Amino acid sequence: GNSVTQMEGPVTLSEEAFLTINCTYTATGYPSLFWYVQYPGEGLQLLLKATKADDKGSNKGFEATYRKETTSFHLEKGSVQVSDSAVYFCALSDMYYGGSQGNLIFGKGTKLSVKP
Amino acid sequence: SQTIHQWPATLVQPVGSPLSLECTVEGTSNPNLYWYRQAAGRGLQLLFYSVGIGQISSEVPQNLSASRPQDRQFILSSKKLLLSDSGFYLCAWRVTSYEQYFGPGTRLTVT
Repeated sequence: GNSVTQMEGPVTLSEEAFLTINCTYTATGYPSLFWYVQYPGEGLQLLLKATKADDKGSNKGFEATYRKETTSFHLEKGSVQVSDSAVYFCALSDMYYGGSQGNLIFGKGTKLSVKP
Repeated sequence: SQTIHQWPATLVQPVGSPLSLECTVEGTSNPNLYWYRQAAGRGLQLLFYSVGIGQISSEVPQNLSASRPQDRQFILSSKKLLLSDSGFYLCAWRVTSYEQYFGPGTRLTVT
């Protein structure tokens, strides 16, 4: 079945460091891919998305490129801030096959801590 | 614009007591609705989803149940809470595209 694998955390960086959070997926068909962010005590917020191969999603300085050849959707940011400290979830859309309702499949999340 | 509400925000309940969490969505029609649970330090677990009034799909067998009495209302219930029911409960919605939009969550502590 479809699945998402994220790098294990926690990730601790200094302010202004470069961030990469790896995400790879297994899927049939051509799913849409997403990154969500969860700040402490809050719900998840959609950070960015990509709906087809080679698409680049971007938002708030974060970027991720849909790489079909490597089945990856790594999240990157050139210079992190303390305010970026949060848990980041990679997700893919479970396509409408065999009764599936097009739900999202989430990775386990990666906790990022940015120190001043 | 669309908004999603969850209440209560926090809840402390004794083992064996009943539970009712409510989720409502504004500004959209006929959304798919979802209940997730997030245990401490863990990822998201999909509990239930609904594609319409009265239509509930359960992803995980447990002592929880869900109902959708109105188009934009989704309720999570239990007759008798267990310690293992503690966690952060999140409601989400979506319409035509795949991305889901989440509510602020309910922190449940079962004592």
